[in-house]
Amino acid sequence: DAGVIQSPRHEVTEMGQEVTLRCKPISGHNSLFWYRQTMMRGLELLIYFNNNVPIDDSGMPEDRFSAKMPNASFSTLKIQPSEPRDSAVYFCASSPGTGNNEKLFFGSGTQLSVL
Amino acid sequence: AQSVTQLDSQVPVFEEAPVELRCNYSSSVSVYLFWYVQYPNQGLQLLLKYLSGSTLVKGINGFEAEFNKSQTSFHLRKPSVHISDTAEYFCAVIRMDSSYKLIFGSGTRLLVRP
Repeated sequence: DAGVIQSPRHEVTEMGQEVTLRCKPISGHNSLFWYRQTMMRGLELLIYFNNNVPIDDSGMPEDRFSAKMPNASFSTLKIQPSEPRDSAVYFCASSPGTGNNEKLFFGSGTQLSVL
Repeated sequence: AQSVTQLDSQVPVFEEAPVELRCNYSSSVSVYLFWYVQYPNQGLQLLLKYLSGSTLVKGINGFEAEFNKSQTSFHLRKPSVHISDTAEYFCAVIRMDSSYKLIFGSGTRLLVRP
């Protein structure tokens, strides 16, 4: 298994531009998470999907952030418009499913820099 | 609300020396406890977890951790570290009444020197 695949690995963009981060979870995993990692705030859960349905999006910073999971093998996190304070590493993680989320499998992350 | 505290932001240690990375938590309900490791430019990997049973849990790469309920601690230990153990280590909890929300500590950078 290739693990959780995220793209791109690095993204540099200018303030105001739209940014789309992509994630392919491990096949057969029913739960998907987006986390953001910064020096100041550490690892923060942005949104959690179960069976492609958003269950908890309370961590999404504001309306500029949106996430979708159109099918079991793909999810996107979109920032529109982007701001310099959005610069961070964004991780996608998946796990086998509800009641069994004690082991998360993380992707390698997307390093986002907004200039 | 629950929280996880890792008091040490960085722990320097010489190769083959023992190490302990500290983790304390607070929660109004029972929790499951985890340690994750993050190597440079990689995502997090599960090192070990405590769900129930024996309070001493063993993980990968020779690490172990002990759950101490009275002290609300879950310190990570290794008797002899290697250069390759240099990484960021994160303690995390999940509330037993919430099966998905991992709350992470701020991380401890373990720096192993030759």
